[in-house]
Amino acid sequence: KAGVTQTPRYLIKTRGQQVTLSCSPISGHRSVSWYQQTPGQGLQFLFEYFSETQRNKGNFPGRFSGRQFSNSRSEMNVSTLELGDSALYLCASSSWGGPDEKLFFGSGTQLSVL
Amino acid sequence: QKEVEQDPGPLSVPEGAIVSLNCTYSNSAFQYFMWYRQYSRKGPELLMYTYSSGNKEDGRFTAQVDKSSKYISLFIRDSQPSDSATYLCAMSATNAGKSTFGDGTTLTVKP
Repeated sequence: KAGVTQTPRYLIKTRGQQVTLSCSPISGHRSVSWYQQTPGQGLQFLFEYFSETQRNKGNFPGRFSGRQFSNSRSEMNVSTLELGDSALYLCASSSWGGPDEKLFFGSGTQLSVL
Repeated sequence: QKEVEQDPGPLSVPEGAIVSLNCTYSNSAFQYFMWYRQYSRKGPELLMYTYSSGNKEDGRFTAQVDKSSKYISLFIRDSQPSDSATYLCAMSATNAGKSTFGDGTTLTVKP
């Protein structure tokens, strides 16, 4: 069974640009969560999607958005990039996001903003 | 103040040592407690999961949760060089997809 796949693996952008990251969850998983990981702030929850609907949202500005497609694949978009957006963006999937479920993480997309 | 505080480390121990990793939290709603291991350039991988207070053992790993003190621990017995990684505690109230993570402790086990 294939794991969680995130593309691209690395990305370099300049301030003011926008970026779209992609996540393909494990087959059959319908819940997809996104996290931002930085050395200073650790792993921070961005948002969670289930059946194409945003179910939970973290404390990030509106520049961060996401969506989920009918095949459970998800994308997140960051508009008007800032230097502080440089981070490892991780996607995680589970069957339905239940409280006792195991989260499976992808290897992440390393975003550098210059 | 963060909801979850993790002993920062880094931690360096000789092979075979017992390792103790710890987190405290402030949100009483947390019911589910996890420990993840993250190798360099990889995503976190779930190691241990505990519901509410108590102990759970899996091979060389033991997770402890004390909800009255809002304190969780992970013990690694007979540590191996392959255990060298960053360990993250995580907690959730109702939804695994929305977990709150500690900042991580980097462990190095020297042969």
